[in-house]
Amino acid sequence: QQQVKQSPQSLIVQKGGIPIINCAYENTAFDYFPWYQQFPGKGPALLIAIRPDVSEKKEGRFTISFNKSAKQFSLHIMDSQPGDSATYFCAAGRAGSYQLTFGKGTKLSVIP
Amino acid sequence: DAGVTQSPTHLIKTRGQQVTLRCSPKSGHDTVSWYQQALGQGPQFIFQYYEEEERQRGNFPDRFSGHQFPNYSSELNVNALLLGDSALYLCASSLYRLAGRNEQFFGPGTRLTVL
Repeated sequence: QQQVKQSPQSLIVQKGGIPIINCAYENTAFDYFPWYQQFPGKGPALLIAIRPDVSEKKEGRFTISFNKSAKQFSLHIMDSQPGDSATYFCAAGRAGSYQLTFGKGTKLSVIP
Repeated sequence: DAGVTQSPTHLIKTRGQQVTLRCSPKSGHDTVSWYQQALGQGPQFIFQYYEEEERQRGNFPDRFSGHQFPNYSSELNVNALLLGDSALYLCASSLYRLAGRNEQFFGPGTRLTVL
């Protein structure tokens, strides 16, 4: 069963804090791990993605950490802002496949 | 640069009816995937189209079918609607030759309500 487990379900942080969202996967064939941000009434928007050959990737205030042996990856949002309040999804995919397997999402609220 | 567009925005149908949803991919993209997102859940892969053929399919019954046109736009058809088909239907586009990168760009979705 291809699954991606995401936690926590919801998260509240103060402005400037560093929310961390975690995901774990089971299928070792996965080799592409994107994070998506979704605002209410909108489709998911690609934030950042990583492949298993690196342990960390940074783009702006967003960082993915990847632990291949533990089959886990996480998203850190530095200096979080109220505008970051959204639902975040992790996902996993395989080379040459268009099927992404998504986690259930984390609703992030950043309070001023 | 036009992103992924979908129509209609919202749709209300009754059980047993049929529905058609439409998607135009991002400019320059040639591959379209469809996802179903139930309330409070992550998107689930339905199928993917390239060169007017279904190339990959997720775990959905054959009540769900699709089509891709020569201009790369796509339709999702759902027959014999069930209450459980109520969801946000998302279209994602990508460029086939970049399959190894898997980058997919999502549209805003069509909210389907089945009564």
